[in-house]
Amino acid sequence: AQSVAQPEDQVNVAEGNPLTVKCTYSVSGNPYLFWYVQYPNRGLQFLLKYITGDNLVKGSYGFEAEFNKSQTSFHLKKPSALVSDSALYFCAVRDLPYQKVTFGIGTKLQVIP
Amino acid sequence: DTGVSQDPRHKITKRGQNVTFRCDPISEHNRLYWYRQTLGQGPEFLTYFQNEAQLEKSRLLSDRFSAERPKGSFSTLEIQRTEQGDSAMYLCASGQGSGQRHQNTEAFFGQGTRLTVV
Repeated sequence: AQSVAQPEDQVNVAEGNPLTVKCTYSVSGNPYLFWYVQYPNRGLQFLLKYITGDNLVKGSYGFEAEFNKSQTSFHLKKPSALVSDSALYFCAVRDLPYQKVTFGIGTKLQVIP
Repeated sequence: DTGVSQDPRHKITKRGQNVTFRCDPISEHNRLYWYRQTLGQGPEFLTYFQNEAQLEKSRLLSDRFSAERPKGSFSTLEIQRTEQGDSAMYLCASGQGSGQRHQNTEAFFGQGTRLTVV
């Protein structure tokens, strides 16, 4: 069975500082990994994905994520946080060949002006 | 707007009533997913269609829940005899994919239908 863990319920960071939102996963095969962001009363917006290849993946709004197979992690990062980045972030994994995507419980990111 | 659209955005219903939600995916997408999200939780997978075929169903999808995608385009999710525990945000997503790993896209989500059962 596939699973995702987001160990932090909330991450607080000062505007302009780098941010990291942590994610670890468990799959039986090769993972297909995603990050989504959710603003209040909105659906999920896709940020980035890892399929194969370069372990550092770049996505929307200046976000990037690093795939680490040995640590089964896929942490989301941004060099300089903006107040507008404040939202709920979800890590997700899909274990091919299945179609089901399993989401973590989410991490609330609060960027403090 | 060419994204995933869901209707209605909000639904309040009395316990015991039936409700039906509609999802219109991005037109070229062959895959369609339904998820349920409750407060403080991530989305939970309910079911998945490839074209008109329902290929995966979660055990969360009790007998009161049924989903269809009759022509491989829009989909409906019906909940019969609603219970208060059904109150949640119901999310639809679509994507394009095949058997080849590199040809799979990510899922694009609609804004959801918020169901409140009173």
